[in-house]
Amino acid sequence: DTAVSQTPKYLVTQMGNDKSIKCEQNLGHDTMYWYKQDSKKFLKIMFSYNNKELIINETVPNRFSPKSPDKAHLNLHINSLELGDSAVYFCASSQEGSSYNSPLHFGNGTRLTVT
Amino acid sequence: AQTVTQSQPEMSVQEAETVTLSCTYDTSESNYYLFWYKQPPSRQMILVIRQEAYKQQNATENRFSVNFQKAAKSFSLKISDSQLGDTAMYFCAFMKHAYSGGGADGLTFGKGTHLIIQP
Repeated sequence: DTAVSQTPKYLVTQMGNDKSIKCEQNLGHDTMYWYKQDSKKFLKIMFSYNNKELIINETVPNRFSPKSPDKAHLNLHINSLELGDSAVYFCASSQEGSSYNSPLHFGNGTRLTVT
Repeated sequence: AQTVTQSQPEMSVQEAETVTLSCTYDTSESNYYLFWYKQPPSRQMILVIRQEAYKQQNATENRFSVNFQKAAKSFSLKISDSQLGDTAMYFCAFMKHAYSGGGADGLTFGKGTHLIIQP
């Protein structure tokens, strides 16, 4: 049973195209995230969603838009792709209680290559 | 804002040796969580170990243990009897506690240490 699954695993596309990456979690978690891992392996948070509400949005271009149809899904849509968008994108989820945070569970990542 | 620093970009040890990866962090929070994640070449992000800041006892998970020094804001990972399968990127990460909105903020990562276990 895959806890956090994201598709596709690889995505190769040309500059200017629009693409989406899908993410689903079956852990019943209430918070989902998108992280970007650059070519130097640095991981940086892009968005988090809690109960379908955008909680934080780091300095990410507005070409990137997270869409959450329900608590178990958080898709990432990217418009007008640029060369600099090439990276590995990770979806993750966690559960936040009144007195605890569960660790983040990550999907296996989507390697996006923009040519 | 929190920062996490891993000062060793790469380390290499022989199989069966013990290796320690260093991590320091900066925060004004008094309660938080610290994690080590492993990323093998398959690029999966695998949770290795977790420490809650209010717990003085260092966390251990089989061959993995941490040395948590809260006052020094240090959180090192020790891997005993290293194995070839331990070869990976290791990331130290920080999360604020839930009552500080930690879940929503997610994890802040260090830049990683590439650990190579030599046969």
